[in-house]
Amino acid sequence: SQQGEEDPQALSIQEGENATMNCSYKTSINNLQWYRQNSGRGLVHLILIRSNEREKHSGRLRVTLDTSKKSSSLLITASRAADTASYFCATVPWVTGGGNKLTFGTGTQLKVEL
Amino acid sequence: EPEVTQTPSHQVTQMGQEVILRCVPISNHLYFYWYRQILGQKVEFLVSFYNNEISEKSEIFDDQFSVERPDGSNFTLKIRSTKLEDSAMYFCARSRDTDTQYFGPGTRLTVL
Repeated sequence: SQQGEEDPQALSIQEGENATMNCSYKTSINNLQWYRQNSGRGLVHLILIRSNEREKHSGRLRVTLDTSKKSSSLLITASRAADTASYFCATVPWVTGGGNKLTFGTGTQLKVEL
Repeated sequence: EPEVTQTPSHQVTQMGQEVILRCVPISNHLYFYWYRQILGQKVEFLVSFYNNEISEKSEIFDDQFSVERPDGSNFTLKIRSTKLEDSAMYFCARSRDTDTQYFGPGTRLTVL
């Protein structure tokens, strides 16, 4: 598998339900970030979690990171139709001397229906 | 969220032509990046730029590509001789440090 793969590839839920997306990666990381992309638009930064953190919250978002399994999950609680978008995880490698390019995953397409 | 603007929003060009994509980032951000996303595929890193020089580049960023800050504010990506496979969304991003990157809305490049 490639660095940064999300599953599921597509997720369809009803408004008010929770949505969980998972991301796996292969190399050691400095941090992991989640982004949202509405169809044909730019990428919006949602949340960043560092390699020494296990869980982080921001509003209706909850991110977990398990560095032993090289995986992360994004939970959106009480979803709304406006949450419909593609969600990507992106990793920044742990590199001596810096280096902060983002390596993106394949993304999860979330559809929230009324 | 700090704003990044990109121009043009859509560029159509003939194969073999040169294109210049522009990005206007926040002036106090030190790190600049270009990424691209071919339709239906992942977002891919092209190049990062720090202290007025390239700090890292990917395999994609070959001799056809170049970046510069011609006037200290705009950040440009030039593709010298476009190919059909260069058709993609090109995103500029910037950051104050090595953490959160803020993306522009993108330029859709179509090579005919």
